[in-house]
Amino acid sequence: AQSVTQLGSHVSVSEGALVLLRCNYSSSVPPYLFWYVQYPNQGLQLLLKYTTGATLVKGINGFEAEFKKSETSFHLTKPSAHMSDAAEYFCAVSENPADGLTFGKGTHLIIQP
Amino acid sequence: GAVVSQHPSRVICKSGTSVKIECRSLDFQATTMFWYRQFPKQSLMLMATSNEGSKATYEQGVEKDKFLINHASLTLSTLTVTSAHPEDSSFYICSASGQGGYNEQFFGPGTRLTVL
Repeated sequence: AQSVTQLGSHVSVSEGALVLLRCNYSSSVPPYLFWYVQYPNQGLQLLLKYTTGATLVKGINGFEAEFKKSETSFHLTKPSAHMSDAAEYFCAVSENPADGLTFGKGTHLIIQP
Repeated sequence: GAVVSQHPSRVICKSGTSVKIECRSLDFQATTMFWYRQFPKQSLMLMATSNEGSKATYEQGVEKDKFLINHASLTLSTLTVTSAHPEDSSFYICSASGQGGYNEQFFGPGTRLTVL
């Protein structure tokens, strides 16, 4: 069975500082990995995904994530935080393109002015 | 990009009644639709997967007789919560896939169900 662990239910950074949201996964086969963002009372928006190929994946809004198989990690980063980045972030994994996703518990990102 | 809508966005019902939630893919044909449930300040849990024209596949622990899923067309799936109880109150989110390559799921905005 697959699972996702997101370290830190809340992360607070200052505006302009580096954003680092941690995600570790377990999967018995090469995984498909995703990061989604959710704003209050809204659905999920895909930030980026890893399927195959290049392990450094660039997404929307300046976010990127690196797939590290040896560490079973897929951490999300952004060089400079913006107030509009405040939201809930979910890491998700899938072992098969036809399957639903297994989500982590989410990390609430707080941006301090 | 692909757009998925849900209707209604919010619904309040009395205990014991049934509620239907619609999920539509507006600009693409969705061969597969997924239904998730999200409790307050928690993650999304997959409830079921439905393929157009087939019976839905439910995750372990999800009552198929309580959460009826129909995927009668390539653009519409419905989730009916039968005999709703307060513990069914939750945020229900659907997603649809059918284009975009590897497991590209497009999520709807969600439906907030409150059972009194």
